[in-house]
Amino acid sequence: AQSVTQPDIHITVSEGASLELRCNYSYGATPYLFWYVQSPGQGLQLLLKYFSGDTLVQGIKGFEAEFKRSQSSFNLRKPSVHWSDAAEYFCAVDNNNDMRFGAGTRLTVKP
Amino acid sequence: DGGITQSPKYLFRKEGQNVTLSCEQNLNHDAMYWYRQDPGQGLRLIYYSQIVNDFQKGDIAEGYSVSREKKESFPLTVTSAQKNPTAFYLCASSTGVGTDTQYFGPGTRLTVL
Repeated sequence: AQSVTQPDIHITVSEGASLELRCNYSYGATPYLFWYVQSPGQGLQLLLKYFSGDTLVQGIKGFEAEFKRSQSSFNLRKPSVHWSDAAEYFCAVDNNNDMRFGAGTRLTVKP
Repeated sequence: DGGITQSPKYLFRKEGQNVTLSCEQNLNHDAMYWYRQDPGQGLRLIYYSQIVNDFQKGDIAEGYSVSREKKESFPLTVTSAQKNPTAFYLCASSTGVGTDTQYFGPGTRLTVL
């Protein structure tokens, strides 16, 4: 079955440290890939997306993600985390008009 | 200022009552979506609409109904047939179904007592 997996339910990092959130998918072809962020009680905001071309994608708020076809992954990274980055992050995959979301990774930022 | 609005932000209903959640967008988007979000489960698609007067069931449509009489509006009714309606409901829109980015409203938290 087609699926999107975010292996880490909860991650804690110190402010200023680097961050990587993992996302794997199981689709035959290369789907369209998205990362969204959600603050508590709010809607989702798009951070970045990958449709084709350069596999390293830059997004808002200093985030980037790299598509690795061989690993079926689309991991989100940020070199230096700020306290305001504490939120829940969702990876989403659109394969042939079928959008699927991962279960989310909650990020806590320690002072 | 373009965007998606959902109202109300919090909604309480007694068990057995139908309730309608509002979603309005002024982005001139053709496609609109309703998702349900439960802790630890990500988002699950309830219904989507590609164009006015047309809508399709998503993965968890049972116990829900929608209408799309206007391009700007896509209300969701949670009926008494929905066994576990307490959840956070998110509305989204996009220029079309498929590769287009979905933009989300702020959500409505429904609690059934």
